[in-house]
Amino acid sequence: GQNIDQPTEMTATEGAIVQINCTYQTSGFNGLFWYQQHAGEAPTFLSYNVLDGLEEKGRFSSFLSRSKGYSYLLLKELQMKDSASYLCAVMDSNYQLIWGAGTKLIIKP
Amino acid sequence: GAVVSQHPSRVICKSGTSVKIECRSLDFQATTMFWYRQFPKKSLMLMATSNEGSKATYEQGVEKDKFLINHASLTLSTLTVTSAHPEDSSFYICSARDPQGAGGPSETQYFGPGTRLLVL
Repeated sequence: GQNIDQPTEMTATEGAIVQINCTYQTSGFNGLFWYQQHAGEAPTFLSYNVLDGLEEKGRFSSFLSRSKGYSYLLLKELQMKDSASYLCAVMDSNYQLIWGAGTKLIIKP
Repeated sequence: GAVVSQHPSRVICKSGTSVKIECRSLDFQATTMFWYRQFPKKSLMLMATSNEGSKATYEQGVEKDKFLINHASLTLSTLTVTSAHPEDSSFYICSARDPQGAGGPSETQYFGPGTRLLVL
């Protein structure tokens, strides 16, 4: 079966750095997405990785290793507004998105 | 670019009535739109994939006669919850893929703000 694993919840301190991991087992691979979802709102697109390596976009970076079926989202200089759920999603060989359950990130002052 | 709107944002209805939710891509044409539902503190659940000009593809376990999907144009898809019951109360979210990839990779799904449905 297809499976996306990410931690249920993480806590970090304002101003610090946090890394949210995602491992996946899917039938084929056509890219990995990270979305941010604040409570009661719809997800917003953060990043897309299809090749191995690190993609940096401001305070957020996303890494992919296809051979290991592994990705992480790195958030630097954490701000209180970064408190949200972070969803990892993989596009399989049929171009269907397989969603992880999300990681709830709690930022403390 | 790649903005998706959804209407209404919130609806309360009586059991047995039907509710229509609209999803529009505002600045791009979307040949494919997706309908999700999400229960509190749970992950997104894909209900169906809506293709312009053809029938929607429903996920296993989703009743196509209960959740009617129409994708009549390249910028509009509608989801109608027919004969709604309290267990249909949920957060319904649509998304659309921008084939031109103006806002990001062409496979990216851009989400509407969601519709919170409460059936009494």
